[in-house]
Amino acid sequence: ETGVTQSPTHLIKTRGQQVTLRCSSQSGHNTVSWYQQALGQGPQFIFQYYREEENGRGNFPPRFSGLQFPNYSSELNVNALELDDSALYLCASSLPLGLGTEAFFGQGTRLTVV
Amino acid sequence: ELKVEQNPLFLSMQEGKNYTIYCNYSTTSDRLYWYRQDPGKSLESLFVLLSNGAVKQEGRLMASLDTKARLSTLHITAAVHDLSATYFCAVTVDSNYQLIWGAGTKLIIKP
Repeated sequence: ETGVTQSPTHLIKTRGQQVTLRCSSQSGHNTVSWYQQALGQGPQFIFQYYREEENGRGNFPPRFSGLQFPNYSSELNVNALELDDSALYLCASSLPLGLGTEAFFGQGTRLTVV
Repeated sequence: ELKVEQNPLFLSMQEGKNYTIYCNYSTTSDRLYWYRQDPGKSLESLFVLLSNGAVKQEGRLMASLDTKARLSTLHITAAVHDLSATYFCAVTVDSNYQLIWGAGTKLIIKP
């Protein structure tokens, strides 16, 4: 167990709807990163939050947004869902990776858009 | 743009055999990570390699890093069925945030 928990574990949404995914980081970690993993592919970086500020963003449109709270937990929000948003969404908890630490992943949220 | 390539993408092997998975990356990065993923599951950290020449071993798995060649290897010794999984390598950009991932190597070990 990594101590990183995500909710919900599975979710089915209709195209055009909005969704919020949640992540509780490991104790002592101040950095949360979100990744999208399509079936059979490697994860793609969405964005990272460090001490409640966005600290880097991948090639995802603005309808993907996030928050980090004072306790370092985080949310990923996706508006106007598209069929291609169907994927496993993973959050990773860490200290800043520049310190040479590793990222610990939650179990993921499997999102299906129909 | 940093790219990470793994090969092979698929590997089927017999128990007891040795094999190596390769991970090449396109620009300078001195932090390389190996993860394991079981079907439908999350990513489990295996190794963090931080410097040129770094070698780490855990059980039947050994990882190494050559930053000059921009190459990491994951060597499997005397494979057992429990090692069947998909293995990913990833490198950092700017050392501080995003991990850039390879496509993964799906490893099937037959009894």
